[in-house]
Amino acid sequence: AQSVAQPEDQVNVAEGNPLTVKCTYSVSGNPYLFWYVQYPNRGLQFLLKYITGDNLVKGSYGFEAEFNKSQTSFHLKKPSALVSDSALYFCAVRVYRNSGNTPLVFGKGTRLSVIA
Amino acid sequence: DVKVTQSSRYLVKRTGEKVFLECVQDMDHENMFWYRQDPGLGLRLIYFSYDVKMKEKGDIPEGYSVSREKKERFSLILESASTNQTSMYLCASSLTGQPNQPQHFGDGTRLSIL
Repeated sequence: AQSVAQPEDQVNVAEGNPLTVKCTYSVSGNPYLFWYVQYPNRGLQFLLKYITGDNLVKGSYGFEAEFNKSQTSFHLKKPSALVSDSALYFCAVRVYRNSGNTPLVFGKGTRLSVIA
Repeated sequence: DVKVTQSSRYLVKRTGEKVFLECVQDMDHENMFWYRQDPGLGLRLIYFSYDVKMKEKGDIPEGYSVSREKKERFSLILESASTNQTSMYLCASSLTGQPNQPQHFGDGTRLSIL
């Protein structure tokens, strides 16, 4: 089945330390991968995407993500975490349907807590 | 910036009622989506629409229907609300159906069915 998995429900990191939020994917065809962030009582905000090209993708708010085809992973990273980065993070992948449409399918989310 | 507006932030309805959730986008996007978000389950796709009057079932369409009479508006309908439909509902849109297009989300409607 086409899907993404976020193996950690919760990630805790000290402010100023690097952070990683993990994501693995399973998809037929080329993977189109996305990261979103959700702050309390808000919708999801787009952070970055991987379509093709460089394996390291840079996005909003200093976040980046590393695409690894052999490990089917797309981990979100930031060199130095801020308390304001505390939020719920979702990985998503475009899935291919017989109709030709490609809606996004999301992981279950990882809650990031950055501690001062 | 893309603006996706959901008509209600909070909604309380009773079991058996017919419930309408409305979503409007202002950027002439072709595709629109409805998800529900539940703790520990992430976002699950209910229905999406790739053109006016065109729709496709998502992963959990049972108990729901949708309507897209105009390009900017996508409605989710709970035909006969049940308590297990208490959830956060998120609407999203994307410019086209091309797989490189991100989806833009509204702020959600927290629906409680009593």
